[in-house]
Amino acid sequence: DADVTQTPRNRITKTGKRIMLECSQTKGHDRMYWYRQDPGLGLRLIYYSFDVKDINKGEISDGYSVSRQAQAKFSLSLESAIPNQTALYFCATSDFWQAGDTQYFGPGTRLTVL
Amino acid sequence: DAKTTQPPSMDCAEGRAANLPCNHSTISGNEYVYWYRQIHSQGPQYIIHGLKNNETNEMASLIITEDRKSSTLILPHATLRDTAVYYCIVSYQKVTFGIGTKLQVIP
Repeated sequence: DADVTQTPRNRITKTGKRIMLECSQTKGHDRMYWYRQDPGLGLRLIYYSFDVKDINKGEISDGYSVSRQAQAKFSLSLESAIPNQTALYFCATSDFWQAGDTQYFGPGTRLTVL
Repeated sequence: DAKTTQPPSMDCAEGRAANLPCNHSTISGNEYVYWYRQIHSQGPQYIIHGLKNNETNEMASLIITEDRKSSTLILPHATLRDTAVYYCIVSYQKVTFGIGTKLQVIP
């Protein structure tokens, strides 16, 4: 969905480096999410934010931090990358007031930590 | 969030209806049933959702049993482009993805 963009799309880095993945949305949604996906597995929630001042940990937040710079921007940081953080990362947005909480996903960032 | 159970894989002939089942026996009264799909490694795509009533949109139909303990996603005329992993999710706010059903549409 072009309304949710992620940068970079691919990144190769080394163990111990600090990495930031960025997400921007033009849908005007208050809620934003970061997920990771490992091969053959479903998506696991890292962090989520219901508005600019509300940030919450998901099921696998260790080793990650986030920043909600504005309604439209939500960044995920790996302070010191390690090889088991190699995965596909997705950002998503949603608007709970539309009779449910339908999420719209970005195209993903493929991160490789050597 | 309530858990869901889906078959790990299914095949469907091209042009036929694909019926994907989902069990969610512990669903709460305020939880919606959502369906998403993921084609290869693309971002998951929303398909449809419902609370109690059956729903239909341009992509699919969602049939929810009266007791809400199970549902079926119906793709009326499957095409090769419908080959994907389909996720059934029950949720009030946060969404939790399981492993889903890998649907293979066969020519």
